[in-house]
Amino acid sequence: KQEVTQIPAALSVPEGENLVLNCSFTDSAIYNLQWFRQDPGKGLTSLLLIQSSQREQTSGRLNASLDKSSGRSTLYIAASQPGDSATYLCAVEASGGGADGLTFGKGTHLIIQP
Amino acid sequence: ETGVTQTPRHLVMGMTNKKSLKCEQHLGHNAMYWYKQSAKKPLELMFVYNFKEQTENNSVPSRFSPECPNSSHLFLHLHTLQPEDSALYLCASSPSSGLFYSGANVLTFGAGSRLTVL
Repeated sequence: KQEVTQIPAALSVPEGENLVLNCSFTDSAIYNLQWFRQDPGKGLTSLLLIQSSQREQTSGRLNASLDKSSGRSTLYIAASQPGDSATYLCAVEASGGGADGLTFGKGTHLIIQP
Repeated sequence: ETGVTQTPRHLVMGMTNKKSLKCEQHLGHNAMYWYKQSAKKPLELMFVYNFKEQTENNSVPSRFSPECPNSSHLFLHLHTLQPEDSALYLCASSPSSGLFYSGANVLTFGAGSRLTVL
């Protein structure tokens, strides 16, 4: 059974710092890996999707990498801003694919101090 | 607004009550989902509907009863719930319930309904 682990569970850093969020998964037979953002009391917003054949994806100040063989992904946030404060979730699509093949981590709760 | 609207946003109910959560999307999507998000636990898929047909029931207790009258609306009927059912219930939709790997089939989430069972 696929398991997704996110480290750290919570992180608080001063504004302007570069930071890395980690995600690991136990079964490397995945179709893709996605990073989501969740603001308090809100749903999830997709940030980046990395297909299994790709090594990384970039969107603005965000860069996500994928090492499928080792079962790891990182989300790099450059020049952090208070508006980046949110919970970041990692999810892998595996097995049958689609929503029933999505396994989520518990998330990293990020606070950027002004 | 993401295009997926959930009502009510907050609900408090006793264990003997019957209530319903509603989800509505006008994105032209054919697949709709219910997820449960409990504190300190990963997001859990509950139900999947594709073209109004239920394609997944992830071992959810019968006190949760989904209904999908059309591709734009999804309900979650609640009865005789337990305090441990208190959670954020998220609705999502996507063009189809198939693979997401291409990036063309993307999940869009609603803001959720926060349920508290007393």
